[in-house]
Formats: sequence, C-alpha cells, structure tokens
Amino acid sequence: GENVEQHPSTLSVQEGDSAVIKCTYSDSASNYFPWYKQELGKGPQLIIDIRSNVGEKKDQRIAVTLNKTAKHFSLHITETQPEDSAVYFCAAPNQAGTALIFGKGTTLSVSS
Amino acid sequence: DGGITQSPKYLFRKEGQNVTLSCEQNLNHDAMYWYRQDPGQGLRLIYYSQIVNDFQKGDIAEGYSVSREKKESFPLTVTSAQKNPTAFYLCASSTSKETQYFGPGTRLLVL
Repeated sequence: GENVEQHPSTLSVQEGDSAVIKCTYSDSASNYFPWYKQELGKGPQLIIDIRSNVGEKKDQRIAVTLNKTAKHFSLHITETQPEDSAVYFCAAPNQAGTALIFGKGTTLSVSS
Repeated sequence: DGGITQSPKYLFRKEGQNVTLSCEQNLNHDAMYWYRQDPGQGLRLIYYSQIVNDFQKGDIAEGYSVSREKKESFPLTVTSAQKNPTAFYLCASSTSKETQYFGPGTRLLVL
C-alpha cells in the first residue's frame, strides 16, 4: 500500500548544529517530494521540494536529497537557529497522483 | 493579496450538530483539499476536488461532506455522524496534482 514513513518523531539540537530528517516512501513511481514546516497553531508552509530528475536541491541553509533506488529522501538544515523550531512534514504523491500522503511529522527543537 | 483563507479560526460544536468550515482561495487553483490533523497523526486526507462540481473521498471521509460549486470555495461540513470531530482542520489548494499550499486552519472543539 501507499505509505510515507518519517524519522525521527522528535529531534533536539543546539543552535548552530545541523539537523537531518529522513523519509521513506513505498510507491516507486513517485516523482515529487515536498517538505513543509508548521509552526504552532498555523498551517504548514512549503519550504523546499525536489523532483525525481535530481538528486539534491539547496536553498540557503536548507537542502533535500533524494535516493530513488532506496526510496528515501532527507531534509538537511545547517546552522540551525531557534526560529527553525517547528514541526516538519515530508510528503509524496499517492499512487493515483491525485493527492499527497504525509509523514507523521518531526518536532524539531533548537535550543540556544 | 492572494492566498487561502479559512474561517472561523475556532469553532465549537454541540452534540448532534452539523457545522460547516469555510475555505476560500483567490489563487485560481483548480484543486482543493481538506485534511484533518490530530496530535502525532500527521495530516490525513478527508476529501479533495480536482475541478468544480466534482470531488473525491480521501482516507477518512466518513462523517464529513463537501461541495464545490465555485472554483474559489470548498466548504467542509462536519456532520453529527462524526463521533470524534475534535481536531485541527486544514484546507489546501494547488494548480497541479503536486505542490499544495495550505490555509491557516480551523480548530474544532466539542462542547
């Protein structure tokens, strides 16, 4: 069946450290992988996405890597800051390509 | 100022009552979605609509209903058949089947 697994569920780092969140997906035909950041009481915001024709994409301190063979993709945040503290969700398209399936989220805490 | 709006921010439901959550977008997006969020559960798809006058059930449609009479609007009704409605409800829209943009959410509480 369709599934997106996300790990870890919680992650605590010191300011300035790097944070890595990993997701695996089950449908080998999936070709689009977004990452969302959700602050408390707000809707998720798209922070970066990657398509299957590239292995890595960067946007300032945020990067996403994709390994299609292993069917996993990861979010990397470097030089973390307290404002990076939030819940992060990965997602992948469902088999029909009509909607996204979300991971269960990672709560990232950055302490100063 | 373009975006997705949801109202109200908080909604209280009494036993046996139907309540309707509003979702409006002025992004000219074709597709719209409703998700339910519970602590530790991620986002679960309730209903989605790819075009006006058409919608499909998601993974947890029981106890909910929707309509899509206008491109800009996709209201969700939580019926009395939904026995555990307390949750954070999120509406999203997209131009394609991929990139989705979310509204600010509505928190539904049961009295």
